[in-house]
Order: sequence, then structure tokens, then C-alpha cells
Amino acid sequence: QSVLTQPPSASGTPGQRVTMSCSGSSSNIGTKTVNWYQQLPGTAPKFLIYNNNQRPSGVPDRFSGSKSGTSASLAISGLQSEDEADYYCAAWDDSLNGWVFGGGTKLTVL
Amino acid sequence: EVQLVESGGGLVQPGGSLRLSCAASRFTLSSYWMSWVRQAPGRGLEWVANIKQDGSEKYYVDSVKGRFTISRDNAKNSMFLQMNSLRVEDTAIYYCAREDWFGDYVWFDPWGRGTLVTVSS
Repeated sequence: QSVLTQPPSASGTPGQRVTMSCSGSSSNIGTKTVNWYQQLPGTAPKFLIYNNNQRPSGVPDRFSGSKSGTSASLAISGLQSEDEADYYCAAWDDSLNGWVFGGGTKLTVL
Repeated sequence: EVQLVESGGGLVQPGGSLRLSCAASRFTLSSYWMSWVRQAPGRGLEWVANIKQDGSEKYYVDSVKGRFTISRDNAKNSMFLQMNSLRVEDTAIYYCAREDWFGDYVWFDPWGRGTLVTVSS
């Protein structure tokens, strides 16, 4: 069972906007910034969002993040077939003195 | 391009040991915290351990404390994970990742391609 809670699945059709949540606690999301990673099938994870809502260069602006209290979310607008992947949230946890991940959300593009 | 390459994975019996290596290229390892993250078959990501630039601080997930040891050799631009008393539940792809940063913000980038560790009799 993961310290951060994510819904196991999400889906949408091409062009749609989808969101996925990430719930934590005061020792992680509540006081630390959230990062998001994308894992395409059969590949290593790739860095997607840092500091809750900042995109590194090369990540399309279709991807956006937000945080409120002890929860965060990732939104993908203009959904494309190549967005089909697993998405993970992560944050440092001050109580555990370690990084914690969500269980991942599998995004299906219908 | 900045790159990380893991090696050392394989099949080992329960109770056995394995040493993973992570070789960094096109960046100076000594400037960064480094982490190991694992992924059991069909499961999500789990952070395993990390180590400070000079090796003076190390942190571990509870499930590997006392069994795994993270280390680094900055002169060789490499990081290691010594895994002892291996259990079936340690079976996973092990990724090394650089903890990149900007100000107070830290994230994992890049990631290696991973090395598979299988613990089975």
C-alpha cells in the first residue's frame, strides 16, 4: 500500500481533458512539493512536473499540475494516443525521511 | 546527453547477495544526491535509498534497512547498491536516478533503464 493515494485508472478519448488525483498527508504533500512522472509501457519513468506545477523544457503545455493542502492533481488536455501511460506522483516525506510515491494511475486513451 | 546505466542484476536465491552498479556519464556525479528506485513486476514505483553528494548521509526505506547498503565512488562517477539477505519480495527492476534540483525543489531526472533482480529458489 502506497503512502500517496492515486486512483488506479483513468480514461478519455482523443482531444478530451483528463485529471488524476494524488492524496497524501501533512508530512509529505502538505509541506513538500509534488513531482509527477510518466512511464510509457516497457520503459523507465520520465520526469514530467516538478514543484507542483512547473514543466521542464520539452514537456508539452498540455500537461499541468496543481496542489491544494494535502492533495495534488495532474491534468492532461487535448488527450493524445501517445499519452497512454502510467502516471506517478511523488514527494519527500519528513516523517519517513524518504521519498514516497503514489501507486500510479494507468491512463487509457479510448 | 546525460545518462545513467545500471548493471549487476540477475537471478539469486533467497538469502543471497547481489551488488548493483550505476554508471553516470556526461555529468559530474559528485554534484548530486543519487537514488535507487525499484518496481516489482506489474507494480508501482518504490523508492529504496538515497545518498548525499559526499556519501555522508544515507536514507533507506524501512523494508531494506539493515540489509541494503548504498554507496558511491565519485572518482569513478558511479553509485552502488549492496543487497544482502535478499527476499522473494525484493524481486524488481531497480532504477538509479539523479536527484536534480533547482533552489529548494528536487526531482528524479534522469533515470536509468533499470536492471532486473529476481530472487527465487
